[in-house]
Amino acid sequence: AQSVTQLGSHVSVSEGALVLLRCNYSSSVPPYLFWYVQYPNQGLQLLLKYTSAATLVKGINGFEAEFKKSETSFHLTKPSAHMSDAAEYFCAAGGTSYGKLTFGQGTILTVHP
Amino acid sequence: EAGVTQFPSHSVIEKGQTVTLRCDPISGHDNLYWYRRVMGKEIKFLLHFVKESKQDESGMPNNRFLAERTGGTYSTLKVQPAELEDSGVYFCASSQEALQGYEAYEQYFGPGTRLTVT
Repeated sequence: AQSVTQLGSHVSVSEGALVLLRCNYSSSVPPYLFWYVQYPNQGLQLLLKYTSAATLVKGINGFEAEFKKSETSFHLTKPSAHMSDAAEYFCAAGGTSYGKLTFGQGTILTVHP
Repeated sequence: EAGVTQFPSHSVIEKGQTVTLRCDPISGHDNLYWYRRVMGKEIKFLLHFVKESKQDESGMPNNRFLAERTGGTYSTLKVQPAELEDSGVYFCASSQEALQGYEAYEQYFGPGTRLTVT
């Protein structure tokens, strides 16, 4: 069975600091991996996706993630946090059952001045 | 292009009552999914439609939940009778026909319906 673990339900950073949100997956087959972001009162928005074409994936709003098979990780990073990055972030995996996404628990990112 | 819409945004009902949630996917998207997030837990898959057919309903909790997708357009999710543990946020998502494998997972989500059962 596929599973996704996000380490840290809450992450707090200062504006301008590095953002690092951790995601590890467990899968019997190489998965497709996604990061979604949810702003208050909005739906989940796709930030970026890994589809096996390249291990370093760039997404919207300056975010990127690196697929590391040896570590079964897909951590999300951004060099410099902005106040507008405050939201909840979800890591998700697909590939073992057609169309079905498996989500991590979510990480709430707080950015303080 | 309009995104995925869901109605209502919030619903508060009493235990034993019936509630129907509606989802309108992005026009032209054959794939429609329902997910649920119970407070403090991860978002969990409920079921997947391809057009009007149920492709996978392995995540449906029990037979109190009934999902339909009339004519392959909008979908409804009915909970009857509702129980306290049904409270949570119900998300709908849609995706286009998957020409490449990963496209089935590149899903567009609605804002969710927050269901509270008291």
